[in-house]
This record gives sequence, structure tokens and C-alpha cells, in this order.
Amino acid sequence: LAKTTQPISMDSYEGQEVNITCSHNNIATNDYITWYQQFPSQGPRFIIQGYKTKVTNEVASLFIPADRKSSTLSLPRVSLSDTAVYYCLVGEGNSGYSTLTFGKGTMLLVSP
Amino acid sequence: DAGVIQSPRHEVTEMGQEVTLRCKPISGHDYLFWYRQTMMRGLELLIYFNNNVPIDDSGMPEDRFSAKMPNASFSTLKIQPSEPRDSAVYFCASSLSGGNDNEQFFGPGTRLTVL
Repeated sequence: LAKTTQPISMDSYEGQEVNITCSHNNIATNDYITWYQQFPSQGPRFIIQGYKTKVTNEVASLFIPADRKSSTLSLPRVSLSDTAVYYCLVGEGNSGYSTLTFGKGTMLLVSP
Repeated sequence: DAGVIQSPRHEVTEMGQEVTLRCKPISGHDYLFWYRQTMMRGLELLIYFNNNVPIDDSGMPEDRFSAKMPNASFSTLKIQPSEPRDSAVYFCASSLSGGNDNEQFFGPGTRLTVL
């Protein structure tokens, strides 16, 4: 059963780059690494996903080293609206079925 | 598409009463998930369905909880009898297909308070 470890909370200021690192030492060969974002009073929202190396979209970048035992979500130039909980997940399952364990995530607080 | 729809958005009930939460997944999505979120335990998967069939209900807390999916566009999560410790936000999510590379789309949640 893959498990992830990420910081409980992080603080940042507007305009800074934020990097949230997640450990997943027991990641399986067929597991993808996925990050979700959750604002207060809303359901989680998909941000980015990757399998290896680097993935970039309009919201964030995801860096995955060769051993895939960790990953780093990078948010460039954060704003106040990026204050949210960020979840790192790796898939669990076989035969095409999948479950995701969200845990408690990382609470990012962006200040002016 | 309107996204995943959940009702009610808020529910306040008394201990011992039956509670039914409802979910309409995104059209065409084959997978439906029910989650529960609390401060203490975070976001927990309760059960998920594939093509209306329950696949894994190992996260369901106890026999007081039951979930059904009578058709592709509707699912219910029922708690009977409800207890104060069931107070939480319950989320429904759907995804196009299985595999951990598939994005899950979450509804707005139902905030349940059991007095």
C-alpha cells in the first residue's frame, strides 16, 4: 500500500515560488503521482499529474526524480488565492481499478 | 456539463434519524466515489462504484452506512441511524474510467451535522 508524507503546513508571501515536497517511498511501478487542491468549503480539484521527470501546465510544475520516491509540486509566483490545502496522492490498485488516499494534505497560507 | 451535483448542501438532523445524501455524477463517467472529510481524519474514501456496481466498500465505517447506485446518473449514501460522530462533509466524485491516472471530479459536498 503506497503511502505519502507531506508537510502539514507551509507559509509564503505573494509573488514567491512555493515548492511542496511529498515522499512516497513505496510507490509501485504502475503508480502515477497526482496533486489536488482544495479551497475551503469546496471539493478537491485536480492540479497536475505525472509519472516521471517533469510535467508543467498552466497552474504548476511537478518534478519527479528518477527513483520516483518523492515529488515536488512547484507553484510559481503565488497569490492570496493560492491559499488552500494541497494533497499528494499515488494510486493504489490493480486490474484497472484505482483508489486514492488523500490524507490531510499540506495547508498553504499565502500572506500579502 | 454542470459537474458533479450533490444534495442537500447542508443537513442538520438529530441522533437516531435516517440521513440520505444524493449524488449525480458527470454524464459518461463510469466511476463514482463517496468520501468523508473531517478535521481529525482528513479525506477518507468510503466506497466506490464502477458501472453502478460497488467495487470496494472497505472504507464504510460500519453497518449503519450503506450506498447504492441504481443507475448511471444517481447514487445515494444512507446513514441509519445517524450519530453525532457522523458529522462531517461528505463528497461525491466521479471519473471517466479507472486507473490511478484518471482525474476525479468532486462535487461541492454535503455538510452533515448530527445533534
